[in-house]
Amino acid sequence: DAGITQSPRHKVTETGTPVTLRCHQTENHRYMYWYRQDPGHGLRLIHYSYGVKDTDKGEVSDGYSVSRSKTEDFLLTLESATSSQTSVYFCAISDNLAGYQETQYFGPGTRLLVL
Amino acid sequence: GENVEQHPSTLSVQEGDSAVIKCTYSDSASNYFPWYKQELGKRPQLIIDIRSNVGEKKDQRIAVTLNKTAKHFSLHITETQPEDSAVYFCAARRGQGNLIFGKGTKLSVKP
Repeated sequence: DAGITQSPRHKVTETGTPVTLRCHQTENHRYMYWYRQDPGHGLRLIHYSYGVKDTDKGEVSDGYSVSRSKTEDFLLTLESATSSQTSVYFCAISDNLAGYQETQYFGPGTRLLVL
Repeated sequence: GENVEQHPSTLSVQEGDSAVIKCTYSDSASNYFPWYKQELGKRPQLIIDIRSNVGEKKDQRIAVTLNKTAKHFSLHITETQPEDSAVYFCAARRGQGNLIFGKGTKLSVKP
């Protein structure tokens, strides 16, 4: 597995509380991504980053924000968690070759339950 | 934007048989098509990928075929084994765009 870790791996929280998930990589890859995985929906992109302090929205970004202050870390924040954000969250990384994103490798995932 | 449809959503085969999963995509400019395998409770892992400049790629029991005219690509697994049981995801990407994933196929291989 590529050098990707996620923390925490499991979290239970209450509606309305802020939550931050962390993705850490040791591969020095340029691109980092946050996905959520829900039954019947596959993997959906929340936000991604193409460099330090360079981020953009994915297809399901409402209610989420991200930050990337260092190459190795990409944080996903739920400002005020809702039950609809109960999901499994995966971080992914990919490198850049000749201006193109290369293969994506996934982290181990974080299971989030919002009560 | 790109849309990827994957069929079937579930597939059950006998050990030793072949399994085929098909994905169609909407953006004719898409040029990269990976397949991921996800075992229960684990992360998706890349098993094979293909770029639009080739029509077929093989890796032991796994192969992917691409039909650019029809805008579909397929995963073929031969001589299936119980350890092939997992959820398989296809994806498509155009140029420097992001991956768009299909919704997955749950493959069950019965001993």
